Amino acid sequence: SAVISQKPSRDICQRGTSLTIQCQVDSQVTMMFWYRQQPGQSLTLIATANQGSEATYESGFVIDKFPISRPNLTFSTLTVSNMSPEDSSIYLCSERLGETQYFGPGTRLLVL
Amino acid sequence: QKEVEQNSGPLSVPEGAIASLNCTYSDRGSQSFFWYRQYSGKSPELIMFIYSNGDKEDGRFTAQLNKASQYVSLLIRDSQPSDSATYLCAVNTREGGADGLTFGKGTHLIIQP
Repeated sequence: SAVISQKPSRDICQRGTSLTIQCQVDSQVTMMFWYRQQPGQSLTLIATANQGSEATYESGFVIDKFPISRPNLTFSTLTVSNMSPEDSSIYLCSERLGETQYFGPGTRLLVL
Repeated sequence: QKEVEQNSGPLSVPEGAIASLNCTYSDRGSQSFFWYRQYSGKSPELIMFIYSNGDKEDGRFTAQLNKASQYVSLLIRDSQPSDSATYLCAVNTREGGADGLTFGKGTHLIIQP
C-alpha cells in the first residue's frame, strides 16, 4: 500500500487565477502521475511527473496550462493555470509501487 | 487510441449473490489490468490486478483475464451492501508499468439488502 497526501483538499477559485496542488508520497518512487476526474466522469491521465526531467504530457494537455514540478522522489506539484470553469474537477496524484498505482485523496477544485 | 469500455450500469445485485463486472480494451499490447473501487466523493482504491490469462482470486474477489478476447472481468462473491460503489477498470499498456493508466468510465454497482 501507499500513503499519499495532497494539499489543498479543496478550493474555490476565480477564473483567470492559478492554483498549485501539492502531492507528497511516503516512498521514494520514480513514477508519479497526475490525473483529472471531471464531474461524473472517470479518470484521465494528465501527465507523468519524472524526477530530474520534464514531465510527459498526454494528448490534450499542455505544459503551459498544467506545469508540473518534481523536485525529488517524494514530492510533486501540479499547477492549473489561467483557470476557467471547465477546469472544475478533482485532481489526483498517484504513485507507482511495483506494478501497481495508488491514488491520493484528490483535490476538489471549483472555478467560478 | 487506447480505449477501455465498461457498462456504466447501474448493476443491481441482491445481497449474498455474485456480482459480475466486465471490461473490454482496445490495445492488444496491453500488459496489466487493474480493478479499482471508488466510493462517492472518495479517490479510487485498488482491489486487485492481473497480468496473465486466467483467474486470480483474492478473498471474495476474482479477476479473470482473456487477452485473446481483450476482456477482463471482476467477480464479487457473497456481495455485501458495502460493496456498493463504482468499479473502475484500468489498463497499463507498457511493460513494467511505465505508462499511466487508461481508465474505463466505471460500472455503478448497487447491492440490494
